[in-house]
Amino acid sequence: QVQLVQSGAEVKKPGASVKVSCKVSGYTFNSYNIAWVRQAPGQGLEWMGWISTNIGNTNYAQKFQGRVTMTTDTSTSTAYMELRNLRSDDTAVYYCTRDSGTALDVWGQGTTVTVSS
Amino acid sequence: DIVMTQSPLSLPVTPGEPASISCRSTQSLLHNSGYNYLDWYLQKPGQSPQLLIYLGSHRASGVPDRFSGSGSGTDFTLEISRVEAEDVGIYYCMQALQSPYTFGQGTKLEIK
Repeated sequence: QVQLVQSGAEVKKPGASVKVSCKVSGYTFNSYNIAWVRQAPGQGLEWMGWISTNIGNTNYAQKFQGRVTMTTDTSTSTAYMELRNLRSDDTAVYYCTRDSGTALDVWGQGTTVTVSS
Repeated sequence: DIVMTQSPLSLPVTPGEPASISCRSTQSLLHNSGYNYLDWYLQKPGQSPQLLIYLGSHRASGVPDRFSGSGSGTDFTLEISRVEAEDVGIYYCMQALQSPYTFGQGTKLEIK
C-alpha cells in the first residue's frame, strides 16, 4: 500500500537547522509531487510548499522563502525538507504529503520538531 | 493569499444525527477545468490528517458514503448524514487552486 514514512523526532536549539526525511513506498516516486505541511501545538494546518519529484522544481510559501529547502533522492524514493535558522515558533509537527495536484491524498505520520534553548 | 473561513468552529453532535460544516473562500475556487479546487480533511485525535473529499464533492477512496461535499465558487459544505463515534476530530477545508494552499481554521466535531 501507499506509505510515506518520516524520520524521528528532533530537538534543536534556536538558530540551528533541521532536516526531515520522508520515504515513499507503494507507488512510483516521481509520479506525484511531495508537499510539506506543519502544525504548531494546538494549532491548525499550514502549507509550506511542494517539490516536483519529477523535475525537482519547488514552490515555497513566501513565509518560508529563504529558510526552507525541499529536495528529493529518487534513488531511495525519499523527499527531504530542511528548515534553517530555527526559532521557537517553528516548534511543530511536520508532515509530508503526496500532492495529487488537486488534493493531499496520502500523509506521513508526522515528525515532531522542538526548538528550545 | 486566499483566506478560508469555516463555521462553526465547534460542533457537538448526537450519534445518528446529521452534521454540517461550512467553508467560505475569499476568491472563487472554480478552476477553468470546471472543478472546484476545494478539499476536506479530517484529523482524528492523535493522527495525521486524512483526505475525505477532493474537488469539492468527490469522496476519497475508502471514505464512507455518509460524507458528502457540495458547493461551488466561494461557498462549500461538508455534510455527514448520520454521525458516528468514529467521526470525532477536527475537520479542515483547504483550497488547492493557487499557491500557497490555505486551510480553514478547523471545526472540532465532538459527540454529545
